[in-house]
Amino acid sequence: GIQVEQSPPDLILQEGANSTLRCNFSDSVNNLQWFHQNPWGQLINLFYIPSGTKQNGRLSATTVATERYSLLYISSSQTTDSGVYFCAVSIYGNSGNTPLVFGKGTRLSVIA
Amino acid sequence: KAGVTQTPRYLIKTRGQQVTLSCSPISGHRSVSWYQQTPGQGLQFLFEYFSETQRNKGNFPGRFSGRQFSNSRSEMNVSTLELGDSALYLCASSLTAGAFYGYTFGSGTRLTVV
Repeated sequence: GIQVEQSPPDLILQEGANSTLRCNFSDSVNNLQWFHQNPWGQLINLFYIPSGTKQNGRLSATTVATERYSLLYISSSQTTDSGVYFCAVSIYGNSGNTPLVFGKGTRLSVIA
Repeated sequence: KAGVTQTPRYLIKTRGQQVTLSCSPISGHRSVSWYQQTPGQGLQFLFEYFSETQRNKGNFPGRFSGRQFSNSRSEMNVSTLELGDSALYLCASSLTAGAFYGYTFGSGTRLTVV
């Protein structure tokens, strides 16, 4: 099955710093999503981005589908950005789109 | 519009018991998927239902089962609970079968087996 690797596994930042999270995947995908899991366990959908670039406030994401990677940029980080960031992908299988396959996540800690 | 609702939020069960978890998807969404999250294995796919039919199933033992009702609400059942079943169980809804338009997750049910 498709493999999803995220790096770095852990990241500690001072408030106000910028960061880049990376997601590599092993096959062509037709869906890629970035999620933020808050301390209470809720997975919040950040971006649906199978290709191209999107921005939402201090967050932006770029997926280069032909090179099988996606990047999540966090600028001017805040303590509320802390949590785990997951990349998840889906491919087109024999019976349509497969379920999302998740990476192991990047645990981000933003320190005041 | 209301999000994905999972009940209960927390549950403590004893080994050998069974448990039923519930998920109500976003209104209009016909697909419900279930995931198990543990510290060791991360997020693993359990099953996906679309229009009351199981469309996909992950690599879990037969003790894990699910169903979807005509109103798209879904339940999952775990029988003969084991300590290793302690996990956060997350439900996601989507407009169509598969993850083509993306998922929206509920807040999860945290199951502790003692």
